[in-house]
Amino acid sequence: GQQLNQSPQSMFIQEGEDVSMNCTSSSIFNTWLWYKQDPGEGPVLLIALYKAGELTSNGRLTAQFGITRKDSFLNISASIPSDVGIYFCAGSFYNQGGKLIFGQGTELSVKP
Amino acid sequence: GAVVSQHPSRVICKSGTSVKIECRSLDFQATTMFWYRQFPKQSLMLMATSNEGSKATYEQGVEKDKFLINHASLTLSTLTVTSAHPEDSSFYICSARDYRDADNSPLHFGNGTRLTVT
Repeated sequence: GQQLNQSPQSMFIQEGEDVSMNCTSSSIFNTWLWYKQDPGEGPVLLIALYKAGELTSNGRLTAQFGITRKDSFLNISASIPSDVGIYFCAGSFYNQGGKLIFGQGTELSVKP
Repeated sequence: GAVVSQHPSRVICKSGTSVKIECRSLDFQATTMFWYRQFPKQSLMLMATSNEGSKATYEQGVEKDKFLINHASLTLSTLTVTSAHPEDSSFYICSARDYRDADNSPLHFGNGTRLTVT
């Protein structure tokens, strides 16, 4: 089946540090998305990637769509306490009706 | 823009009863909506694709008679958990995109419904 492997599962960092997380798949995706979920809420879109090799930034966040179309990473620079939450990668395939498959999530904790 | 509203946000019901969850796109129309389920500390698992005016498409392993989906208009999809049992307790989240957007455009998510079955 279609699976996304996201790592690490959790991270405990000091405020101001940089963070990196990634997702890999055995299948080729045509879109990679990164979402953040706060407790008790739905995911909120951070970055969308549509082309292999694409590198996109959103403030302190940077994400890349891997050349092989099977992986993506998300970097957060100079972390702050409000970065705390669960980060999910998600991907969609061609001809799958637009549904998204999610990675397992990376839980980020930031110590002030 | 692109707001998805879900109601109720929390519901507690007794075992054996049915619960209906509504998902509305507030400022766009959606021919397709997606229902996800999330257990604590786990990922979002796609349950089904809700199709306006036609039957929903269920993912493998999801009981369609257990989780009834109706998408009667371009702004509303409902998920009914029938004869709920404690193992159905979970966080249910709907999502949608504007029907004018491409299939690979991002989905917008509601804030979820926390279902507790006692």
